Amino acid sequence: DAKTTQPPSMDCAEGRAANLPCNHSTISGNEYVYWYRQIHSQGPQYIIHGLKNNETNEMASLIITEDRKSSTLILPHATLRDTAVYYCIVRVSNGANNLFFGTGTRLTVIP
Amino acid sequence: KAGVTQTPRYLIKTRGQQVTLSCSPISGHRSVSWYQQTPGQGLQFLFEYFSETQRNKGNFPGRFSGRQFSNSRSEMNVSTLELGDSALYLCASRQTGASFSNYGYTFGSGTRLTVV
Repeated sequence: DAKTTQPPSMDCAEGRAANLPCNHSTISGNEYVYWYRQIHSQGPQYIIHGLKNNETNEMASLIITEDRKSSTLILPHATLRDTAVYYCIVRVSNGANNLFFGTGTRLTVIP
Repeated sequence: KAGVTQTPRYLIKTRGQQVTLSCSPISGHRSVSWYQQTPGQGLQFLFEYFSETQRNKGNFPGRFSGRQFSNSRSEMNVSTLELGDSALYLCASRQTGASFSNYGYTFGSGTRLTVV
């Protein structure tokens, strides 16, 4: 599975949109982009995933560039409870079930 | 429905001992994976079980082993504990089958193991 690159940390004001970038320039055509987050001392929580189209669910939106070399996770109205480490992962559909988490982005939502 | 349940939540063991951790997946989830999380190495994949068979294994020594039962519950065992085995051990489950091949994993809250 391809590796990803994320900024180590970001701040966001409460109520504003948080835009978390991820670079996956070596992504293959059959690899999906997944986002998870981990709040301190809890297990990672699945957020969203996509292949090439933009996706939206109740938690977030995922914007994938046309060349699929990067993506952005958008939390439309960040709250203090969104403070967490966010991981961007690429994985082949039906591939080995070993997620490579990397170091992620530590998002701090500021009141 | 109930989430992924891991027991115990906290555990303290002495170096050289062995430990068994338990994971009950979400009902209907047949794939169970285990991860180790430490401050230095981050989240690392240990192994994955499906239908009572280990399907994939990470780069860990043979002291780390696991198994899965017919009801999909899984256990992992670490023998001859070392100080460096102190970590948060996380279990994740997932639905399987073509319709669910892209679904995300659901993680438990983990077992925090401290080796002294």
